[in-house]
Amino acid sequence: QQQVKQSPQSLIVQKGGISIINCAYENTAFDYFPWYQQFPGKGPALLIAIRPDVSEKKEGRFTISFNKSAKQFSLHIMDSQPGDSATYFCAARGNTDKLIFGTGTRLQVFP
Amino acid sequence: KAGVTQTPRYLIKTRGQQVTLSCSPISGHRSVSWYQQTPGQGLQFLFEYFSETQRNKGNFPGRFSGRQFSNSRSEMNVSTLELGDSALYLCASSGGTGETQYFGPGTRLLVL
Repeated sequence: QQQVKQSPQSLIVQKGGISIINCAYENTAFDYFPWYQQFPGKGPALLIAIRPDVSEKKEGRFTISFNKSAKQFSLHIMDSQPGDSATYFCAARGNTDKLIFGTGTRLQVFP
Repeated sequence: KAGVTQTPRYLIKTRGQQVTLSCSPISGHRSVSWYQQTPGQGLQFLFEYFSETQRNKGNFPGRFSGRQFSNSRSEMNVSTLELGDSALYLCASSGGTGETQYFGPGTRLLVL
């Protein structure tokens, strides 16, 4: 019940395309859902986050869509750029600071 | 504000040794969490400290321990190292429960 399932494991997108990464969770006590971006040799960096009282949040080219009834959330990267090539992790958190991470998606954006 | 800093950045140890990793949180942050990242297991929560008290602990053996000092700096210790402890150890800090966690660059530990 503590797992967060993430798919796909890897994603190849052409420059200008849309990248979509999906996550699903079981624990209804989770109330905070961040996405982190990680480049090789670096720690994860917070990209965007959402709470379950909204269904969508957009920041620039990055959008989180949240479906509370289905217990799913997804990250959409519009107009994907080669600089977006990184590993993306979804995560979930309840009333503690313990983040439960998905398994990661390696995104490659080709020019 | 300076970000989360971790020292050392790289470490090579042999089986059976022990290691201590250090984390300095963002100024003003009182919560520090530690995570282990490996290709096989991904990012896994080790423990979290707030105001020098351990508040949460993940499913790791007792060889993994930590502590937090009054200035919020934290250390984690791994005793009797095993080959499987080779990983990137990440520290994250936040201002408190429910606030955004910011990660440091990690300490890459290699156990030979």
